[in-house]
Amino acid sequence: AQSVSQHNHHVILSEAASLELGCNYSYGGTVNLFWYVQYPGQHLQLLLKYFSGDPLVKGIKGFEAEFIKSKFSFNLRKPSVQWSDTAEYFCAGGGGGNKLTFGTGTQLKVEL
Amino acid sequence: ETGVTQSPTHLIKTRGQQVTLRCSSQSGHNTVSWYQQALGQGPQFIFQYYREEENGRGNFPPRFSGLQFPNYSSELNVNALELDDSALYLCASSPISGEQFFGPGTRLTVL
Repeated sequence: AQSVSQHNHHVILSEAASLELGCNYSYGGTVNLFWYVQYPGQHLQLLLKYFSGDPLVKGIKGFEAEFIKSKFSFNLRKPSVQWSDTAEYFCAGGGGGNKLTFGTGTQLKVEL
Repeated sequence: ETGVTQSPTHLIKTRGQQVTLRCSSQSGHNTVSWYQQALGQGPQFIFQYYREEENGRGNFPPRFSGLQFPNYSSELNVNALELDDSALYLCASSPISGEQFFGPGTRLTVL
Protein backbone atom coordinates (compact mmCIF):
# COMPACT_ATOMS: atom_id res chain seq x y z
CA ALA A 1 0.00 0.00 0.00
CA GLN A 2 1.13 3.53 -0.67
CA SER A 3 1.82 5.59 2.42
CA VAL A 4 3.62 8.74 3.45
CA SER A 5 4.65 9.45 7.02
CA GLN A 6 5.90 12.63 8.61
CA HIS A 7 7.83 12.31 11.84
CA ASN A 8 7.31 15.70 13.40
CA HIS A 9 3.81 16.98 14.10
CA HIS A 10 4.81 20.26 15.72
CA VAL A 11 8.11 22.09 15.38
CA ILE A 12 9.05 25.38 17.03
CA LEU A 13 12.17 27.22 15.88
CA SER A 14 13.72 30.62 16.37
CA GLU A 15 14.35 32.82 13.37
CA ALA A 16 17.59 31.97 11.55
CA ALA A 17 17.59 28.40 12.85
CA SER A 18 17.98 25.59 10.36
CA LEU A 19 15.00 23.41 9.48
CA GLU A 20 14.72 19.77 8.57
CA LEU A 21 11.31 18.06 8.36
CA GLY A 22 11.25 14.33 7.92
CA CYS A 23 9.21 12.43 5.37
CA ASN A 24 9.26 8.73 4.59
CA TYR A 25 7.30 7.00 1.87
CA SER A 26 6.27 3.49 1.08
CA TYR A 27 5.60 2.95 -2.57
CA GLY A 28 5.97 0.32 -5.18
CA GLY A 29 7.27 1.34 -8.55
CA THR A 30 7.82 4.88 -9.73
CA VAL A 31 7.11 7.52 -7.16
CA ASN A 32 6.74 11.24 -7.51
CA LEU A 33 7.29 13.19 -4.30
CA PHE A 34 6.10 16.63 -3.27
CA TRP A 35 6.20 19.09 -0.43
CA TYR A 36 3.23 21.41 -0.04
CA VAL A 37 2.85 24.35 2.33
CA GLN A 38 -0.30 25.86 3.78
CA TYR A 39 0.18 29.34 5.24
CA PRO A 40 -2.43 30.52 7.77
CA GLY A 41 -5.66 31.33 5.97
CA GLN A 42 -4.32 30.31 2.56
CA HIS A 43 -4.67 27.26 0.36
CA LEU A 44 -2.14 24.54 -0.28
CA GLN A 45 0.81 25.61 -2.43
CA LEU A 46 3.53 23.51 -3.99
CA LEU A 47 6.98 24.10 -2.50
CA LEU A 48 8.91 21.60 -4.59
CA LYS A 49 8.63 18.29 -6.39
CA TYR A 50 10.77 15.33 -7.37
CA PHE A 51 9.97 13.23 -10.40
CA SER A 52 13.39 11.90 -11.45
CA GLY A 53 16.97 13.01 -12.01
CA ASP A 54 18.98 15.02 -9.51
CA PRO A 55 17.90 13.83 -6.04
CA LEU A 56 18.51 17.27 -4.55
CA VAL A 57 15.53 19.40 -5.46
CA LYS A 58 15.32 23.13 -4.95
CA GLY A 59 11.99 24.83 -4.49
CA ILE A 60 10.58 28.23 -3.78
CA LYS A 61 11.52 30.48 -0.86
CA GLY A 62 14.88 28.82 -0.26
CA PHE A 63 13.53 25.35 0.50
CA GLU A 64 15.16 22.19 -0.76
CA ALA A 65 14.60 18.45 -0.35
CA GLU A 66 16.73 15.40 -0.91
CA PHE A 67 15.39 12.13 -2.28
CA ILE A 68 17.29 9.23 -0.69
CA LYS A 69 16.00 6.05 -2.30
CA SER A 70 17.84 3.69 0.08
CA LYS A 71 16.16 5.32 3.06
CA PHE A 72 12.77 5.89 1.40
CA SER A 73 13.08 9.49 2.54
CA PHE A 74 12.39 12.93 1.13
CA ASN A 75 13.26 15.37 3.89
CA LEU A 76 12.62 19.09 3.56
CA ARG A 77 15.35 21.54 4.54
CA LYS A 78 15.95 25.25 4.83
CA PRO A 79 19.23 26.67 6.15
CA SER A 80 17.70 29.69 7.89
CA VAL A 81 13.99 30.03 8.63
CA GLN A 82 12.05 33.27 8.81
CA TRP A 83 8.99 34.20 10.83
CA SER A 84 7.02 34.14 7.56
CA ASP A 85 7.74 30.41 7.20
CA THR A 86 5.23 29.71 9.96
CA ALA A 87 2.82 27.32 8.27
CA GLU A 88 1.78 23.70 7.97
CA TYR A 89 3.94 21.55 5.73
CA PHE A 90 2.73 18.40 3.98
CA CYS A 91 4.76 15.73 2.26
CA ALA A 92 2.93 13.86 -0.50
CA GLY A 93 3.63 11.05 -2.90
CA GLY A 94 1.98 9.94 -6.09
CA GLY A 95 2.37 7.46 -8.87
CA GLY A 96 1.27 8.24 -12.37
CA GLY A 97 -1.81 10.35 -12.82
CA ASN A 98 -1.22 12.56 -9.84
CA LYS A 99 -3.38 10.85 -7.22
CA LEU A 100 -1.59 12.10 -4.16
CA THR A 101 -1.13 10.42 -0.79
CA PHE A 102 -0.39 13.01 1.90
CA GLY A 103 1.32 12.73 5.24
CA THR A 104 -0.38 14.06 8.35
CA GLY A 105 1.47 17.37 8.18
CA THR A 106 3.96 19.26 10.34
CA GLN A 107 2.95 22.49 11.99
CA LEU A 108 5.96 24.81 12.01
CA LYS A 109 6.05 27.86 14.24
CA VAL A 110 8.93 30.30 13.87
CA GLU A 111 9.46 32.65 16.78
CA LEU A 112 11.08 36.06 16.53
CA GLU B 1 -5.02 33.52 -15.13
CA THR B 2 -7.86 32.51 -12.80
CA GLY B 3 -6.98 29.98 -10.13
CA VAL B 4 -9.06 27.15 -8.74
CA THR B 5 -12.23 28.33 -7.07
CA GLN B 6 -14.62 26.42 -4.83
CA SER B 7 -18.10 27.09 -3.56
CA PRO B 8 -19.48 27.45 -1.03
CA THR B 9 -16.75 28.36 1.45
CA HIS B 10 -18.67 27.05 4.44
CA LEU B 11 -21.64 24.75 4.77
CA ILE B 12 -23.59 23.30 7.69
CA LYS B 13 -25.74 20.21 7.21
CA THR B 14 -27.40 17.64 9.42
CA ARG B 15 -26.93 13.89 9.42
CA GLY B 16 -28.69 12.12 6.59
CA GLN B 17 -28.79 15.14 4.30
CA GLN B 18 -27.11 15.42 0.93
CA VAL B 19 -24.57 18.04 -0.14
CA THR B 20 -23.07 19.25 -3.42
CA LEU B 21 -19.75 21.05 -3.54
CA ARG B 22 -18.48 22.82 -6.62
CA CYS B 23 -15.10 23.46 -8.14
CA SER B 24 -13.97 25.52 -11.12
CA SER B 25 -10.66 24.36 -12.49
CA GLN B 26 -7.82 26.54 -13.61
CA SER B 27 -7.84 27.53 -17.26
CA GLY B 28 -6.25 24.87 -19.46
CA HIS B 29 -6.51 22.08 -16.88
CA ASN B 30 -8.50 18.97 -17.83
CA THR B 31 -8.13 17.01 -14.58
CA VAL B 32 -9.83 17.63 -11.25
CA SER B 33 -9.05 15.77 -8.05
CA TRP B 34 -11.00 15.93 -4.80
CA TYR B 35 -9.54 15.48 -1.33
CA GLN B 36 -11.00 15.34 2.18
CA GLN B 37 -8.96 16.93 4.97
CA ALA B 38 -10.17 16.10 8.45
CA LEU B 39 -9.02 18.25 11.34
CA GLY B 40 -5.38 17.57 12.18
CA GLN B 41 -4.89 15.26 9.21
CA GLY B 42 -3.44 15.50 5.74
CA PRO B 43 -5.71 15.55 2.72
CA GLN B 44 -7.05 12.15 1.65
CA PHE B 45 -7.69 11.41 -2.01
CA ILE B 46 -11.38 10.87 -2.80
CA PHE B 47 -11.39 10.60 -6.60
CA GLN B 48 -10.15 12.18 -9.79
CA TYR B 49 -11.92 13.16 -12.99
CA TYR B 50 -10.22 13.39 -16.36
CA ARG B 51 -12.17 14.54 -19.41
CA GLU B 52 -15.51 13.90 -17.67
CA GLU B 53 -14.69 10.33 -16.62
CA GLU B 54 -13.71 9.06 -13.18
CA ASN B 55 -9.99 8.28 -13.31
CA GLY B 56 -9.23 6.68 -9.98
CA ARG B 57 -10.85 6.53 -6.60
CA GLY B 58 -9.58 6.42 -3.04
CA ASN B 59 -11.01 4.49 -0.12
CA PHE B 60 -14.36 6.29 0.09
CA PRO B 61 -17.83 4.71 -0.01
CA PRO B 62 -20.15 5.03 -3.03
CA ARG B 63 -22.18 7.75 -1.33
CA PHE B 64 -19.31 10.01 -2.37
CA SER B 65 -19.83 10.67 -6.06
CA GLY B 66 -18.77 13.25 -8.57
CA LEU B 67 -19.18 14.79 -11.96
CA GLN B 68 -17.00 16.70 -14.36
CA PHE B 69 -18.51 18.98 -16.96
CA PRO B 70 -17.34 19.78 -20.50
CA ASN B 71 -15.72 22.99 -19.23
CA TYR B 72 -13.77 20.78 -16.75
CA SER B 73 -15.49 22.19 -13.68
CA SER B 74 -16.56 19.55 -11.20
CA GLU B 75 -19.00 18.65 -8.45
CA LEU B 76 -18.60 16.46 -5.41
CA ASN B 77 -21.82 14.97 -4.05
CA VAL B 78 -22.13 13.30 -0.69
CA ASN B 79 -25.34 11.45 0.22
CA ALA B 80 -26.55 10.34 3.63
CA LEU B 81 -24.17 12.61 5.48
CA GLU B 82 -22.49 11.28 8.62
CA LEU B 83 -20.84 13.19 11.44
CA ASP B 84 -17.42 11.96 10.30
CA ASP B 85 -17.92 13.68 6.95
CA SER B 86 -17.20 16.99 8.68
CA ALA B 87 -13.99 18.17 7.05
CA LEU B 88 -12.38 20.58 4.63
CA TYR B 89 -12.98 19.42 1.07
CA LEU B 90 -10.27 20.41 -1.36
CA CYS B 91 -10.37 20.49 -5.11
CA ALA B 92 -7.21 20.49 -7.22
CA SER B 93 -6.89 20.93 -10.95
CA SER B 94 -4.02 19.99 -13.20
CA PRO B 95 -3.03 18.71 -16.57
CA ILE B 96 -3.28 14.89 -16.37
CA SER B 97 0.24 14.40 -15.02
CA GLY B 98 1.27 17.88 -14.06
CA GLU B 99 1.37 19.94 -10.92
CA GLN B 100 -1.88 20.16 -8.98
CA PHE B 101 -3.19 23.57 -8.04
CA PHE B 102 -5.43 23.58 -5.01
CA GLY B 103 -8.48 25.67 -4.30
CA PRO B 104 -9.26 27.24 -0.93
CA GLY B 105 -11.59 24.42 0.08
CA THR B 106 -15.13 24.10 1.38
CA ARG B 107 -15.55 23.63 5.13
CA LEU B 108 -18.40 21.17 5.72
CA THR B 109 -19.86 20.74 9.18
CA VAL B 110 -22.31 17.91 9.80
CA LEU B 111 -24.44 18.21 12.94
